[in-house]
Amino acid sequence: NAGVTQTPKFQVLKTGQSMTLQCAQDMNHNSMYWYRQDPGMGLRLIYYSASEGTTDKGEVPNGYNVSRLNKREFSLRLESAAPSQTSVYFCASRYRSGQTSTDTQYFGPGTRLTVL
Amino acid sequence: QQPVQSPQAVILREGEDAVINCSSSKALYSVHWYRQKHGEAPIFLMILLKGGEQKGHDKISASFNEKKQQSSLYLTASQLSYSGTYFCGTENSNSGYALNFGKGTSLLVTP
Repeated sequence: NAGVTQTPKFQVLKTGQSMTLQCAQDMNHNSMYWYRQDPGMGLRLIYYSASEGTTDKGEVPNGYNVSRLNKREFSLRLESAAPSQTSVYFCASRYRSGQTSTDTQYFGPGTRLTVL
Repeated sequence: QQPVQSPQAVILREGEDAVINCSSSKALYSVHWYRQKHGEAPIFLMILLKGGEQKGHDKISASFNEKKQQSSLYLTASQLSYSGTYFCGTENSNSGYALNFGKGTSLLVTP
């Protein structure tokens, strides 16, 4: 069981370049999430997918797009990277059963992105 | 709605106790606590539900006060390994799909 995996671990982009961050989970979770983490700002939700086939905006969606490719995979795309998108990006997944006492959310190891 | 955590930072000597608070401006349904070490992913600690009892394992426990719309994380007899940043993630209803996280509380335990 690998849990939540993310690729790449590190990336440096130039302003205007595009890239896709990949995320996969092998826990049969229905919900998946993308967060960004900046110093002093905590974890801010970019987009989420409550179930396969659905995606919704979070708190800071501008400049990003997402694709829920299948139940396992949820990718985040930066179409035209900007220095303000320099951050650590975490993917997470969770099984929403309606019994919240067991609905633990698990995080991937993160992608450290620098936009020059 | 992002919950508010306090304090922002705390420094302890090994063996001392600490309390970290997480407050919401809206009624809470559940609170999830995480700890993150520098350069690593947040690691799950525990979930507290509305109407549920205080939870804990080892020397870390938490409570949920529905009236105050607040949860508190208690670290007793702190160990060096407790150092890190603690985050609370909240849900305001059972129909919500994503956790809203606070800005975190940085905890440093010194020898």
